[in-house]
Amino acid sequence: IQMTQSPSSLSASVGDRVTITCQASQHISNFLNWYQQKPGKAPNLLIYDASDLETGVPSRFSGSGSGTEFTFTISSLQPEDIATYYCQQYESLPLTFGPGTKVDI
Amino acid sequence: QVQLVESGGGVVQPGRSLRLSCAASGFAFSAYGMHWVRQAPGKGLEWVAVLWYDGSNENYADSVKGRFTISRDNSKNTLYLQMNSLRADDTAVYYCARESCGGDCYQDFDYWGQGTLVTVSS
Repeated sequence: IQMTQSPSSLSASVGDRVTITCQASQHISNFLNWYQQKPGKAPNLLIYDASDLETGVPSRFSGSGSGTEFTFTISSLQPEDIATYYCQQYESLPLTFGPGTKVDI
Repeated sequence: QVQLVESGGGVVQPGRSLRLSCAASGFAFSAYGMHWVRQAPGKGLEWVAVLWYDGSNENYADSVKGRFTISRDNSKNTLYLQMNSLRADDTAVYYCARESCGGDCYQDFDYWGQGTLVTVSS
């Protein structure tokens, strides 16, 4: 299953609402996760099952969607949110990631 | 707390072999499936392999199938990745990651190691 993301990068201001989309090449129900990766660090799970917030993740992060179209939102961008964000499907093996969206201030 | 520590990376010539290790602590290692995920320099994430909690089932990305072998020693709380016939395009940071849904399933990676860099070059 191929995953695409848009945009590939974006620049926004502190406090802005940021939205990233992820599209699957076939129906994956809600079997979709979102990760944040800061430079030089391992990825960190933010959202699982398309819309469930991982424990300890700030509520400004959210996810939605099902089927083939998914959305990840940061409701109010903070300086510490500078990172690359990846979607990942687990409907079937091989597990696949989107190409990532780099978010800058 | 959950900790995953990879080791074994380095510079290796094309065609040679390397074995990575991932030492786990802070959780019941023998109850969880484990993955390897890699990231080429400046590139995105690529899932490599998964192994069930008891070693009974393994799956690989097509790019490594037949060359890489994932294994584990639950008595040592350690995950391994044996990499043979290495190629330049295997150059990447290799992460081990815990499967969140338990021992015999695949869903997401809730804990990651810090990664170990493998460079394949002559």
